[in-house]
Amino acid sequence: NAGVTQTPKFRILKIGQSMTLQCAQDMNHNYMYWYRQDPGMGLKLIYYSVGAGITDKGEVPNGYNVSRSTTEDFPLRLELAAPSQTSVYFCASSGTENEKLFFGSGTQLSVL
Amino acid sequence: GQNIDQPTEMTATEGAIVQINCTYQTSGFNGLFWYQQHAGEAPTFLSYNVLDGLEEKGRFSSFLSRSKGYSYLLLKELQMKDSASYLCAVKDGNYQLIWGAGTKLIIKP
Repeated sequence: NAGVTQTPKFRILKIGQSMTLQCAQDMNHNYMYWYRQDPGMGLKLIYYSVGAGITDKGEVPNGYNVSRSTTEDFPLRLELAAPSQTSVYFCASSGTENEKLFFGSGTQLSVL
Repeated sequence: GQNIDQPTEMTATEGAIVQINCTYQTSGFNGLFWYQQHAGEAPTFLSYNVLDGLEEKGRFSSFLSRSKGYSYLLLKELQMKDSASYLCAVKDGNYQLIWGAGTKLIIKP
């Protein structure tokens, strides 16, 4: 099993550009999450989904959008990138709301 | 507000024992997780506590006291590969996961 596959690993954007971070899982998990991790801070939840067609905002959703058209895929869209979005992004999934999380390998994003 | 506190950094010696503490204040409680995160990598699951007491898993043990809002992760027979950040996370009453900032553990020979 591949687990959670996240791409790209690194990306540099210019201010105002857009991009999509891809996330796919092959464990048939209903729950999927997008987090960002800044130095010295805990993981912050951006968006999450409890199943195909259902998404909801987390703690820091501004400047991001998500979709969940299938159980496997949960892409994160950045519109009009800003320097404040420079961070490491992690996608994660779990089978239920109280199970451990499986994380993707992360995306290091810099907005210059 | 909801809050999780853990030390920023700890140093220990190879072969020794180290205890990493985590205190939390959340609206409700539905379990506490510990994750390990090596530099530049994703977090990986270590342990889960939902009832009071000690959970032992090889060289790692995790303890929970819900009345005190307190947990610790105990690492025995430390190895160089244990150098990593250790993240404490609590599921609140709405099953939202609240994360601590992590404890960076440095192992010295």
